[in-house]
Amino acid sequence: SQQGEEDPQALSIQEGENATMNCSYKTSINNLQWYRQNSGRGLVHLILIRSNEREKHSGRLRVTLDTSKKSSSLLITASRAADTASYFCATDAKDYKLSFGAGTTVTVRA
Amino acid sequence: DAGITQSPRHKVTETGTPVTLRCHQTENHRYMYWYRQDPGHGLRLIHYSYGVKDTDKGEVSDGYSVSRSKTEDFLLTLESATSSQTSVYFCAISESRGGAYNEQFFGPGTRLTVL
Repeated sequence: SQQGEEDPQALSIQEGENATMNCSYKTSINNLQWYRQNSGRGLVHLILIRSNEREKHSGRLRVTLDTSKKSSSLLITASRAADTASYFCATDAKDYKLSFGAGTTVTVRA
Repeated sequence: DAGITQSPRHKVTETGTPVTLRCHQTENHRYMYWYRQDPGHGLRLIHYSYGVKDTDKGEVSDGYSVSRSKTEDFLLTLESATSSQTSVYFCAISESRGGAYNEQFFGPGTRLTVL
């Protein structure tokens, strides 16, 4: 069963706008990760946030984590056409295992 | 795709035939994983390995078996393929405990169609 659930399922924005997507999960975690998947490719790790962290930045990415609400958000600022992809959150459920959500598909319009 | 290759990249087979997918890594990472990706389900873990000859089941392991005789190779076998196993299969590796302290690196995927 999926631990993480992304919202929205799909998002369409204009180039230069910000994109925000959310992830909710059910059980306590050690960390939460975000991955990107371009069409027809494997997943690429974007950022990892540990349960004792509240916010983390990486370039144009900003991730927040609220363990009290069991939720995380991924913000992509100043979006570009190259950001068009599916984004997945993943939580560590049990030893050695990640649990992935179904993903948010982001389309950036020129 | 970070020193991970999968073969074949595409395969069409018939129901009831055995199929083996191969994952090969050049990173010398201890942990290896097989996932399947289906629309609306995200990635689901099939099997994983925490060392040579050490494997364990994931959440959707029925109908699949794995083997790891060398650090660099992790094989996924469908003993008798069924149409429900039509999917895209991804191999992943991690240096440390998967997800606990380190990210996973993914291969390019194998698209399998079972007719």
